[in-house]
Parts: sequence; structure tokens; C-alpha cells
Amino acid sequence: QVQLQESGPGLVKPSGTLSLTCDVSGVSISSSSWWSWVRQSPGKGLEWIGRIYHSGSSTYNPSLKSRVTISLDKSKNQVSLRLIFVDAADTAVYYCAREVDTGYNWFDTWGQGSLVTVSS
Amino acid sequence: DIQMTQSPSSLSASVGDRVTITCRASQSISTYLNWYRQKPGKAPKVLIYGVSSLQSGVPSRFRGSGSGTDFTLTISNLQPEDFATYYCQQSHTIPWTFGQGTNVEIK
Repeated sequence: QVQLQESGPGLVKPSGTLSLTCDVSGVSISSSSWWSWVRQSPGKGLEWIGRIYHSGSSTYNPSLKSRVTISLDKSKNQVSLRLIFVDAADTAVYYCAREVDTGYNWFDTWGQGSLVTVSS
Repeated sequence: DIQMTQSPSSLSASVGDRVTITCRASQSISTYLNWYRQKPGKAPKVLIYGVSSLQSGVPSRFRGSGSGTDFTLTISNLQPEDFATYYCQQSHTIPWTFGQGTNVEIK
């Protein structure tokens, strides 16, 4: 059974860096899958941030591309998210999710979410 | 970006009812359309992918249809666990985008 769990600081100062990790269990992140980050805020609903393939190839939402990095740590079976120069608009619940790619793409497994508040 | 618009934003229904939620894309997305259900405080859970394919373990009372720009999710025989918020999501063009959600409430 695949399980994902996000962790990281719940509070980040404006202009600081948001860093989250997603612990993956039940499957190796080196297997064939995309690993995505999605966030949810009251103001913007669900927003796809970006994804990384098991090979390390990544794709980002153009709206965040200049500030975001998604990476893999295969030794720890973790996926990481880094978002720089945050402001209040980045306050959201951040989810990691496994993205199935069969020609169709969908998120079949999600973490429980990690609330990050941007405030001084 | 492809904009996804759901209607209605909310609806009230009773256990046993059949409800229909509509999702419209700002441009054609063929059949690259997924549906999720989200309960309060929980992550979304996929119900349907590729317009009409039921995710493993999802009850058959959920049915999806449509193609191009117009899609529907129909829930038959509404159950207590179905009172939640539903989202459509397109996987035709990156960035993947979601509808704003439809809240199904108990009448």
C-alpha cells in the first residue's frame, strides 16, 4: 500500500524559503511514476505546483517556475519541495501526490497535507 | 492555462438522491478529465480518470461522461459519505488545472 506523508515547518517568514519533504512508503520513488506537489488555499483552490519523474526530469507550473524546485532523494525515498521568496499568497495546505501516467494522468495517492502559513 | 469551471458551486441533496455536477473546459481537452472527492480536512481522492474510468475501489454509483469541453459527474443513490466537495481536473495540457469545486450538502 502506497503512502505519502508531508512534513516541514508550519510557519515561514515573508521573503523566506518554504521547504517540505514527502516520505514515500510502499513503493520506491525510483519506479515509474511522476511525483507531484499540489497546494490548496481558500483563495485559489487547488493549484498544481509541479512534478518530478523517477529519472529526475521535472516540470513546473509556469506561474511558480521561477521560484520552485522539486527534487528526489532516492536514498531516503523522499520527494522535496522548495519555494523561495514566499509571501502571504503562498499560505496553503501543501500536498504531495503520486501521478499515474498511462497516457491519461491522474493523482491516485495523496499525502495528508501540510499547512504552511507565511507570516512574520 | 486551461480554465475549468464547475457548476453548480453548491447543491443540497438527500441520501438516495441522484446528483449531477458539470465541468466545462475553456478549450477542448478531449477525454483528459478526472474527478476527485474531498472531505473536510482530508486530501482529495480520485473517483474517475479519463472521463469515465472508475478508479479501483470506487463504487459504481459514480459515473462520468463527456468529451471536448463539457463533462458531467453523476452520483446515483447518494450515500452519507458522498456529502463532500467534488473537483474536476484536466490532464490534457500542463499546467494541470482544477475546477473551483462543487460542495454537495445534506438537504
